[in-house]
Amino acid sequence: GAVVSQHPSRVICKSGTSVKIECRSLDFQATTMFWYRQFPKQSLMLMATSNEGSKATYEQGVEKDKFLINHASLTLSTLTVTSAHPEDSSFYICSAGNIEAFFGQGTRLTVV
Amino acid sequence: AQSVTQLDSQVPVFEEAPVELRCNYSSSVSVYLFWYVQYPNQGLQLLLKYLSGSTLVESINGFEAEFNKSQTSFHLRKPSVHISDTAEYFCAVSGRSSASKIIFGSGTRLSIRP
Repeated sequence: GAVVSQHPSRVICKSGTSVKIECRSLDFQATTMFWYRQFPKQSLMLMATSNEGSKATYEQGVEKDKFLINHASLTLSTLTVTSAHPEDSSFYICSAGNIEAFFGQGTRLTVV
Repeated sequence: AQSVTQLDSQVPVFEEAPVELRCNYSSSVSVYLFWYVQYPNQGLQLLLKYLSGSTLVESINGFEAEFNKSQTSFHLRKPSVHISDTAEYFCAVSGRSSASKIIFGSGTRLSIRP
């Protein structure tokens, strides 16, 4: 199947700093990618739809200025958590695909 | 819009016993249905999917799920579980017009007792 690569797999940052997470489709082009967030022992919540060449579409309750999404090419979407706080600590997962979604390995963000 | 309900947050079973993890969905359009598995501290793995055709779909490790349109269900079953099946299982749905936009259920933690 298709491969979606996410980087980094783990990141620890200080409160108030920004963190960028990359999501790449390695063997196919993706005009649309999706970003999810998973709190410990909870389900995956869709945060936003990343659209190549245009603005991302955010789900209700997700702060656009907090979670900046850029989809500058057909194989790369980035999620930047700005001015991170401890409550932003979570597992972030991206996905891409056509009929079937392929998921990245996830990024565990810890804000200290 | 689509939604998924997994009524059982946790299902404990003994090794080699059968198991059923329940999943019901809601949608105003035709859907694709999925089961994903997440082992501790790992990412998601696709277990099985229903896209079209036969309503009974199977995975390579003995799980099966049946799409029941009248009951809007997609329950996951395995006739005999192993310790290695201990994981979190997520039922998921997508609308056919936006197939890669996956909406997840709350998850069911399957714990296997020896």
